[in-house]
Amino acid sequence: EAQVTQNPRYLITVTGKKLTVTCSQNMNHEYMSWYRQDPGLGLRQIYYSMNVEVTDKGDVPEGYKVSRKEKRNFPLILESPSPNQTSLYFCASSFKTGVTDTQYFGPGTRLTVL
Amino acid sequence: GESVGLHLPTLSVQEGDNSIINCAYSNSASDYFIWYKQESGKGPQFIIDIRSNMDKRQGQRVTVLLNKTVKHLSLQIAATQPGDSAVYFCAASAGGYNKLIFGAGTRLAVHP
Repeated sequence: EAQVTQNPRYLITVTGKKLTVTCSQNMNHEYMSWYRQDPGLGLRQIYYSMNVEVTDKGDVPEGYKVSRKEKRNFPLILESPSPNQTSLYFCASSFKTGVTDTQYFGPGTRLTVL
Repeated sequence: GESVGLHLPTLSVQEGDNSIINCAYSNSASDYFIWYKQESGKGPQFIIDIRSNMDKRQGQRVTVLLNKTVKHLSLQIAATQPGDSAVYFCAASAGGYNKLIFGAGTRLAVHP
């Protein structure tokens, strides 16, 4: 089944404790992206990757890192999480970067930073 | 800055009625628009899209209307069903997924 998977689905952590949220897609997509979703706000892009070893900042990259060593994986790293990073995170992928290529979203990771 | 906004945070309809969800965008350079459906506990799911050179596009039970003059688009769902209950949001792009601006969403509640 074609899908985007994220792990973990839920995470409660404390300020400053490094964490990684994994994202994997099995559709051989070139483009992958991370978003955060907060109440009353639309999805905001954190980072995106147009292909292996090619990543760039989105609208809200502060406090986050990413890597794209393999085509299928695009982990999101929070080196020193803070409470303002409490949010619902979505990974997404599409074949190419053109918006006419349908973007598929993962199920989301709900992160709470205490 | 650029924004995409929905007119109503919630919409309640009776099963079988038609639903209309509205969205406004600010960037006149936006040339592609997408509607997503997000069910509880799931990621957004593509419903329908429309390019700026079109005024209307129809899918299965859904229609998107685009009015570029007033920078407004709407999603119409015909014969709304309980399975349509979800948050719906629009997104506008001025070129590529890295320039996609999302609205906050309208929660559609379908009552029997």
